[in-house]
Amino acid sequence: EPEVTQTPSHQVTQMGQEVILRCVPISNHLYFYWYRQILGQKVEFLVSFYNNEISEKSEIFDDQFSVERPDGSNFTLKIRSTKLEDSAMYFCASNKQGHNEQFFGPGTRLTVL
Amino acid sequence: EDQVTQSPEALRLQEGESSSLNCSYTVSGLRGLFWYRQDPGKGPEFLFTLYSAGEEKEKERLKATLTKKESFLHITAPKPEDSATYLCAVRNSGSRLTFGEGTQLTVNP
Repeated sequence: EPEVTQTPSHQVTQMGQEVILRCVPISNHLYFYWYRQILGQKVEFLVSFYNNEISEKSEIFDDQFSVERPDGSNFTLKIRSTKLEDSAMYFCASNKQGHNEQFFGPGTRLTVL
Repeated sequence: EDQVTQSPEALRLQEGESSSLNCSYTVSGLRGLFWYRQDPGKGPEFLFTLYSAGEEKEKERLKATLTKKESFLHITAPKPEDSATYLCAVRNSGSRLTFGEGTQLTVNP
């Protein structure tokens, strides 16, 4: 069964450094998302992406964040200058056109020191 | 602003002891209420989508129901492998899912 995959599974970085989190959505899906979950808290929406542009973003998704679909399979989240409070699990999700169910990847645990 | 509240925060059951989890929501223009299962350190795993009051969906020992203000996830004769955090989320006219805090279910053998 097709799955969303994410790399790396764990990323440790120093405050102020740039990180890129990578996702491969399910191959016939057209809508892509990033969510984050700070330890012990709820899953929070960051951004949605369709047809090579952002379709919706939350107040968390400020100028430090950007997303890109650099090729036909990858979907990336870049954090330009990481802060301690960016430490969280980051989940990528995708869904098919005409379907509302979003399928999530296993997540990348980001630790900012 | 969309809001989702789940109760209880945690629930301990004995194997075979049926119970229900609650999800109360407020949303402008519901375009789906979703139940997910999340195991520790993993991503949410999709279980059900409900769209309108009165709708019910079933999968193995789980049944989800929907009213205009809340949804229930009924667990019948649970097994230890049903232990997980169960998340409820809603979608409005946009694309985002708004999640609740989840109910952490533990089923003891």
